[in-house]
Amino acid sequence: ETGVTQTPRHLVMGMTNKKSLKCEQHLGHNAMYWYKQSAKKPLELMFVYNFKEQTENNSVPSRFSPECPNSSHLFLHLHTLQPEDSALYLCASSQAGRETQYFGPGTRLLVL
Amino acid sequence: QKEVEQNSGPLSVPEGAIASLNCTYSDRGSQSFFWYRQYSGKSPELIMFIYSNGDKEDGRFTAQLNKASQYVSLLIRDSQPSDSATYLCAVRNTGNQFYFGTGTSLTVIP
Repeated sequence: ETGVTQTPRHLVMGMTNKKSLKCEQHLGHNAMYWYKQSAKKPLELMFVYNFKEQTENNSVPSRFSPECPNSSHLFLHLHTLQPEDSALYLCASSQAGRETQYFGPGTRLLVL
Repeated sequence: QKEVEQNSGPLSVPEGAIASLNCTYSDRGSQSFFWYRQYSGKSPELIMFIYSNGDKEDGRFTAQLNKASQYVSLLIRDSQPSDSATYLCAVRNTGNQFYFGTGTSLTVIP
């Protein structure tokens, strides 16, 4: 266990559904990240939050909506996804100013 | 051109041998370099990071950085079957962007 938890671990949803992914870190970090990992592709950084403020949004479609209510929790709200959005979604955290990121176990998402 | 490139493998080495994993990056001004290990079905875990040219050793792992050649490598000495995994190279570039390679699959044969 790295101190970063994610729920759910697996999710199957239709293209018209709305769902949310949750990430929680117990490490006292103040930076949190969402990554997407698809087969045969590099990890893609989606969003970065530092001290609850979004500092990066790497051209992610608006059907993905992040929320960071405090430095320990991070959500990814999903709506009207496409089948190509099926992937492993990883959350990570770090101490701002330090670059070592700790990853959660991921949510395996399948969009039908 | 990809920001970070790795040979996808698979790389196979016998148990006890040295495994050598390589990575090149495109942004010459990049400052921070990382190696992660990812077991099948699991999330990446940090093995080590390196900032300065030269070698950095941690147990059986040695990271090597050559900024002039824009090249970073990871050596695993005395490879064990438990080292079988995908190894991800990551780079933080001058724009403070974090990029990962596609990973190299390593199999250590008993």
